[in-house]
Amino acid sequence: QSALTQPPSASGSPGQSVTISCTGTSSDVGSHNYVSWYQQYPGKAPKVMIYEVNKRPSGVPDRFSGSKSGNTASLTVSGLQAEDEADYYCSSYVGGGIEYVFGTGTKVTVL
Amino acid sequence: QVQLQESGPGLVKPSETLSLTCTVSGYYIGRAYFWGWVRQSPGKGLEWLASIHHSRGIDYNASLRSRLTISIDTSKNQFFLNLTSVTAADTAVYYCVRDDWVPDNWGQGTLVTVSS
Repeated sequence: QSALTQPPSASGSPGQSVTISCTGTSSDVGSHNYVSWYQQYPGKAPKVMIYEVNKRPSGVPDRFSGSKSGNTASLTVSGLQAEDEADYYCSSYVGGGIEYVFGTGTKVTVL
Repeated sequence: QVQLQESGPGLVKPSETLSLTCTVSGYYIGRAYFWGWVRQSPGKGLEWLASIHHSRGIDYNASLRSRLTISIDTSKNQFFLNLTSVTAADTAVYYCVRDDWVPDNWGQGTLVTVSS
């Protein structure tokens, strides 16, 4: 099972929006709505920002939103803030003896 | 509020066995969910290793299956990971997680270095 494909980097100025893609296959992203997005600061554990494609845990700002089309999921961060500078990873449930697979990760820089 | 905490040696010699414990508080692991292990090599991405449910079974990452053992002790609210025959390539931060189809709660992680 291969990792999901994400762009290595993305950037935007404060107040702008940035969208990160997460491309899988019909066996993972395309088959399930169990796609999550995680934010990770250096030296810290990942934190769930989006689950089940487009749901936000309590406490996550509504600037973060998720969507999916076919085999590709996306995370959009609107109104970029300095604190959004971090690494972001997607994950998709796979099933059939493979629990889940992660994306390659995207470093978001706030210019 | 569920909390997970990894524990184990920070240094393991090559060819030896890496053993980790995850202690869960705030939720009884015998009630529901799969419980798993994920690792992150320095400067690299995330890799799922194994997951276990107290009654529904175990899944292993196929590429590491021959070296991995995951187990659970509901009486202690703990689950465990063993990785045999370690090499420098197994140096990573190891996280224990709660699986709700994908991880929804993470421990803080523990760095394990493989070195003589």
